[in-house]
Amino acid sequence: DTAVSQTPKYLVTQMGNDKSIKCEQNLGHDTMYWYKQDSKKFLKIMFSYNNKELIINETVPNRFSPKSPDKAHLNLHINSLELGDSAVYFCASSQDPGLARAEQFFGPGTRLTVL
Amino acid sequence: AQKITQTQPGMFVQEKEAVTLDCTYDTSDQSYGLFWYKQPSSGEMIFLIYQGSYDEQNATEGRYSLNFQKARKSANLVISASQLGDSAMYFCAMNSNYQLIWGAGTKLIIKP
Repeated sequence: DTAVSQTPKYLVTQMGNDKSIKCEQNLGHDTMYWYKQDSKKFLKIMFSYNNKELIINETVPNRFSPKSPDKAHLNLHINSLELGDSAVYFCASSQDPGLARAEQFFGPGTRLTVL
Repeated sequence: AQKITQTQPGMFVQEKEAVTLDCTYDTSDQSYGLFWYKQPSSGEMIFLIYQGSYDEQNATEGRYSLNFQKARKSANLVISASQLGDSAMYFCAMNSNYQLIWGAGTKLIIKP
C-alpha cells in the first residue's frame, strides 16, 4: 500500500486556470506538508498542517490555498495559475515535527506545467 | 538562523569507489536531527539515514553512513562501494521549528 499518495502525477494547464492537487497518507501521521521544487531542484516548504490546523504558512501567494478535511488528507488548490507556478509539488507527512527524529515521508510528486 | 549548506553542486565518482557528500549546518538548538534524502531521476524523495544530535555513535544504514562531527557542525554522508543506481540528487536536511531546513542538494553521478 502506498504510504503517501498524490493525484494527479502530471498536470498540464493554461495560464489563468484553477487546479487542485490531492494528497492522502495512510501512515497515521498528524502532520502533513506541501513543498514546491523548482527547476534547480531547490525544495521550498509552502504549508504544514498538524491535526487539520495550519502551523506553517511560508511566503506563498494567496492564490495557493491548502485544505485539510481530516488529518489523513491535505489538498492544494491553486487559483489563476501563472507560468512561474510550473514546478514539482510534493506532499509529505511525518509524526510530531517537534520530535528530533521526525523524518518526512514523501508522495511521488505532481509535475505541474503551466502553458 | 538555521541553515544547511551543501557545497558540492555536483560530483562524479567511479563505480565501486566510496563517496562523501558534504553537509554543514548552523543551529543554536541543543536538540536537533539531521537527515539525508535521495532523489533519483524518477523524482521520488527517499529517506536514507538519520542522526540525532545526542547520538553518540555515527548512524549507519547498509552502505550509507553518516560522519557526524558535532563540534564542526558537519554531517557528511558516506556511501561505500558506490553503484550505478546511486546516481541521484542527495539532500541534507535538519529539523528546526517544526519543519525541515533543506540544503540545495548535490548531484551525484556514478561512472561505470
